[in-house]
Amino acid sequence: AQKVTQAQTEISVVEKEDVTLDCVYETRDTTYYLFWYKQPPSGELVFLIRRNSFDEQNEISGRYSWNFQKSTSSFNFTITASQVVDSAVYFCALSLFEAGSYQLTFGKGTKLSVIP
Amino acid sequence: EADIYQTPRYLVIGTGKKITLECSQTMGHDKMYWYQQDPGMELHLIHYSYGVNSTEKGDLSSESTVSRIRTEHFPLTLESARPSHTSQYLCASSELGISDPNEQFFGPGTRLTVL
Repeated sequence: AQKVTQAQTEISVVEKEDVTLDCVYETRDTTYYLFWYKQPPSGELVFLIRRNSFDEQNEISGRYSWNFQKSTSSFNFTITASQVVDSAVYFCALSLFEAGSYQLTFGKGTKLSVIP
Repeated sequence: EADIYQTPRYLVIGTGKKITLECSQTMGHDKMYWYQQDPGMELHLIHYSYGVNSTEKGDLSSESTVSRIRTEHFPLTLESARPSHTSQYLCASSELGISDPNEQFFGPGTRLTVL
């Protein structure tokens, strides 16, 4: 069975600090995909990134960066120079091919509060 | 910006009532999903659809039902609401993603409270 663990339930940082959100996953499959979504207070989830299991290159997008390490089954997310607008719940998710299609399994989320 | 809409955004209703949560998308996506999310918790997939006339149950057992008569519309119905149904319901859509999973676009959610 697959599982996604986000050990940090809530994190508070002061604006301009860097913050890393941890994500650890479990699967026996060799082909899988990992996602990060952001859920602001308005409620809808916003897609941030998708990474497949064969691509271990780290990725940077503006202030966001992702560190994928298969050896430790982790896909951590770092926000550099955090801003108040980054305050949200962040979900890591694992996608596996099951019953004819890909399905997402979400972690419990990490609530990030950025204090001005 | 995602073009996926849910109505109502908030609903407070008494036990035993029949309710339908609406979800529509204008992106022409074949696949649509319903997730249930309790406050501070992860999302659980309760229904999904590959296209018109296709409906499948998700990982989390749910007393709700869905229908997919039109590509753009994926309503969720509870025949008799109970307090245990109190939760947030999120609708999402994506391209079919046979060879690899596509990003899902989410609606703003319906926060349901059953008294």
